Amino acid sequence: EVQLVESGGGLVQPGGSLRLSCAASGFIFSRNWMHWVRQVPGKGLVWVSRIDGEGTGTAYADSVKGRFTISRDNAKNTLYLQMNSLRAEDTGIYYCARDIRYSGHPTFDPWGQGTLVTVSS
Amino acid sequence: EIVLTQSPGTLSLSPGERATLSCRASQSVSTSDLAWYQQKPGQPPRPLIYGASSRATGIPDRFSGSGSGTDFTLTISRLEPEDFAVYYCRHYGSSSLTFGGGTKVEI
Repeated sequence: EVQLVESGGGLVQPGGSLRLSCAASGFIFSRNWMHWVRQVPGKGLVWVSRIDGEGTGTAYADSVKGRFTISRDNAKNTLYLQMNSLRAEDTGIYYCARDIRYSGHPTFDPWGQGTLVTVSS
Repeated sequence: EIVLTQSPGTLSLSPGERATLSCRASQSVSTSDLAWYQQKPGQPPRPLIYGASSRATGIPDRFSGSGSGTDFTLTISRLEPEDFAVYYCRHYGSSSLTFGGGTKVEI
């Protein structure tokens, strides 16, 4: 079974740091790009970042560029999101998602259950 | 950056009725890059449609996607009780991705 399990969320003060992890199982992790997506409870989805299979190509939403770093350890089948200089607006549930191509069309499948990050003093 | 606008924000319908959800892009996008997701309370999103019109694995045929250019539609032909949820469209760009604001389908 393909599965993604996030961890590392919690309460952090503004300006603080946090590292999220996403443990993958059930597929060959290095073959897939991976993404992080944020959702404020009760609100919409916001794409945060993505990384290619080798870990050499990354992209970020403008709102997190320069503060967040996405990385992966293919030997450990784990995706990471290092979050620095955190702001209140970074609060939300962070999901990791596998990028998979069905007939060449990209989709996110599956998604993890998410980990909650709360930035507050 | 492509902006996706979904309408309506909320759709109030009854089981058995037809639901038509709209997703409008701020500029023309490739159908290959347009997908739809369903999210129920307390759960992560799950894929419904990819490539604008292809159903994901396990998605019943009452769900269909259509459209091109800037206008895309998700149609649920006959609503079942388990279909009441929030639906998001998503564009996959070369350097960034965007989601629409979502449409809530409620009883």
